[in-house]
Amino acid sequence: KAGVTQTPRYLIKTRGQQVTLSCSPISGHRSVSWYQQTPGQGLQFLFEYFSETQRNKGNFPGRFSGRQFSNSRSEMNVSTLELGDSALYLCASSLRGAPEDGYTFGSGTRLTVV
Amino acid sequence: SQKIEQNSEALNIQEGKTATLTCNYTNYSPAYLQWYRQDPGRGPVFLLLIRENEKEKRKERLKVTFDTTLKQSLFHITASQPADSATYLCALPEGSYIPTFGRGTSLIVHP
Repeated sequence: KAGVTQTPRYLIKTRGQQVTLSCSPISGHRSVSWYQQTPGQGLQFLFEYFSETQRNKGNFPGRFSGRQFSNSRSEMNVSTLELGDSALYLCASSLRGAPEDGYTFGSGTRLTVV
Repeated sequence: SQKIEQNSEALNIQEGKTATLTCNYTNYSPAYLQWYRQDPGRGPVFLLLIRENEKEKRKERLKVTFDTTLKQSLFHITASQPADSATYLCALPEGSYIPTFGRGTSLIVHP
C-alpha cells in the first residue's frame, strides 16, 4: 500500500513569505498529525486533525495553521516566515490516532528560510 | 511537563553484538511507550509499543522493557547488523494520546 506522501520535498522561502505544505495520508487513515523537527528541539508536535477537525494542538504561534479535507489529505500553512522556521516538517497518519496504531510518517518537507 | 531523556552520544557497537538503548522520563508514568527508528532524511518508522502493565515485549530481534519504578525503558537489538544503524526515538503520550518524542540516540553498527 502507498505510504504517506508529503510535497514538496524541499522548499526555500524568504523571511516574511508564507508557505503551504501538503500531506496525503495512507488510504483509510483518518488522523493526520504534523511535527516540526530541528536539531536543537527534536520532534515537536504542531497539531492533529481527525475527520476535518483539529483535535489537538501543540504550543506553536498562530502563524502555524492547518486543515484537513474530506479525503483526509491535510495542508499546513506557515505565514510571515522567520529564520527559525527552517526545519523538517513531518506529517504522520494513523488509522484512528490510537496509540496501538502507531504513526506512519512521511519523508517530510525540508523548509529553508533565508 | 514530561521530560524524556535519551543518550545524545552515539552508541557504537560491533556487528553481532546486542545494542541497548535507554529512554528515561521524569514525571508521571505513561500508559504506554513507543519506539521508532529514523534514518537520515526520512521520517520515523514505528517499531514497538509497550504498555505500562507489560514488563517486556519482543518482535523478531527487538526487545523492549518498561520499568515504571525506575521510569525507564530499555530497547535491545540482538545480533545487530550494519543495517540497524539509525537513530532510535522513544515516545510517550503527554496529556492525551499524542506522542511526545525524545531526541533519539544514534546507533552505529560496525561490520
